[in-house]
Order: sequence, then structure tokens, then C-alpha cells
Amino acid sequence: GAGVSQSPSNKVTEKGKDVELRCDPISGHTALYWYRQSLGQGLEFLIYFQGNSAPDKSGLPSDRFSAERTGGSVSTLTIQRTQQEDSAVYLCASSTYRASSGNTIYFGEGSWLTVV
Amino acid sequence: GNSVTQMEGPVTLSEEAFLTINCTYTATGYPSLFWYVQYPGEGLQLLLKATKADDKGSNKGFEATYRKETTSFHLEKGSVQVSDSAVYFCALTGSGGSNYKLTFGKGTLLTVNP
Repeated sequence: GAGVSQSPSNKVTEKGKDVELRCDPISGHTALYWYRQSLGQGLEFLIYFQGNSAPDKSGLPSDRFSAERTGGSVSTLTIQRTQQEDSAVYLCASSTYRASSGNTIYFGEGSWLTVV
Repeated sequence: GNSVTQMEGPVTLSEEAFLTINCTYTATGYPSLFWYVQYPGEGLQLLLKATKADDKGSNKGFEATYRKETTSFHLEKGSVQVSDSAVYFCALTGSGGSNYKLTFGKGTLLTVNP
């Protein structure tokens, strides 16, 4: 597609339930990112995928969070046993991979997650 | 580690006023610098970028110059419009092994009144 596509755009879930958020990156982009945007914390890096390399998971806040990327394209972020502090906007982004000169990273519109 | 500090908002201006949003950074080596904008109800969009010292990024009347000596990347616009009302984020990607990861400032909310 023309841009990064995320679904669902809004999700309300009960505390303790699992949720899955989906991201479809820009065609041809080999790098994919998940970020979280919340009022108290600003924009936080969660995880990065690049081609077939091992992902950088250094930003995942706990082992309840996981992500996978199938076939080098679509990615799913899974949050298990959701807590109220998980309420945030989850942003997916993608870019072409160049080792220098400042990759431009393109963001989707986000998935708004509310845990009640 | 890398960090970005930008002026806290909110900033409220009248239409046609001059805008400056300050941004300073801490990073080793030669980072690339970015301004992203988030309009109400929309996702983050790249506004402009600069990848080396003294480069000027510009777009939609906005400008920012990469100043290595002061580790700054201040955003300016000579005459703001109501449609510029948004949240503005300064960000960087590091050099070397961490060049893929964006580090953001906390954002500055700009409101432009007619």
C-alpha cells in the first residue's frame, strides 16, 4: 500500500486479556519498528526488525510483550495479560535500510489501546 | 545514550507570528536529526531532516539547521498559520550501530489562533 497500515485503529480490552496489533509496512521496506506513545512517557522504542537479522527487542517493557514479523512483511505485536498501564497508542513504522545518512522512518496512524 | 531535549509547551501564537521551538541533543558521533509533526487525529509525519553538520532541512515554510557546535536543531517558521497547529517532535538517529533507532523529544504542542 501507499503507507504503513495498522489495525485495529482502536481497541478496548479488559484487564488480563491478550491483544494482537497488526502492522503492514510500506512495500519494499525491509526495516520495521514498533513504538509506544503514552501521555507520561512520550514516544518509546519497543522493537526493531531488519530483514532476516535477529530483532532488537531492547525496548520491550516486560515479557508480556512480544512481536513477530512473518515473511519479512507483516508484523504482529502481542500483549499478554494486559494491564491498565499498557493503555497507549502503539505506532508501527517502516523504512528502507541504509547504514548511513539518516533513514527516513514512516509511521502508521497507530492503534489506540485502552485497557479497562 | 542518546537523548533529545525540546522546549516544553504548550506554545500558543497568533496567525502570522514567528515560531521557534528549541531542540538540543546528546549523542556520540554524527547523528541525523529530524522534526516530526503530528496533526490532531493523525499519525506522525516527517517534517524535515538534516544528516550532517550545517545542513538545513526545510519543508512547508519550516526550517531547522544542524548545529554541531551547540548540539542544536531548532525549528523555525517565519509566519505560522492555523493549520500548523499540531504536536512537533524533535528526534535523532545515532551513528554507527544504533543508526536505525529514533530517539524522540517529548513533543511540543503548538496552537495557532486566527
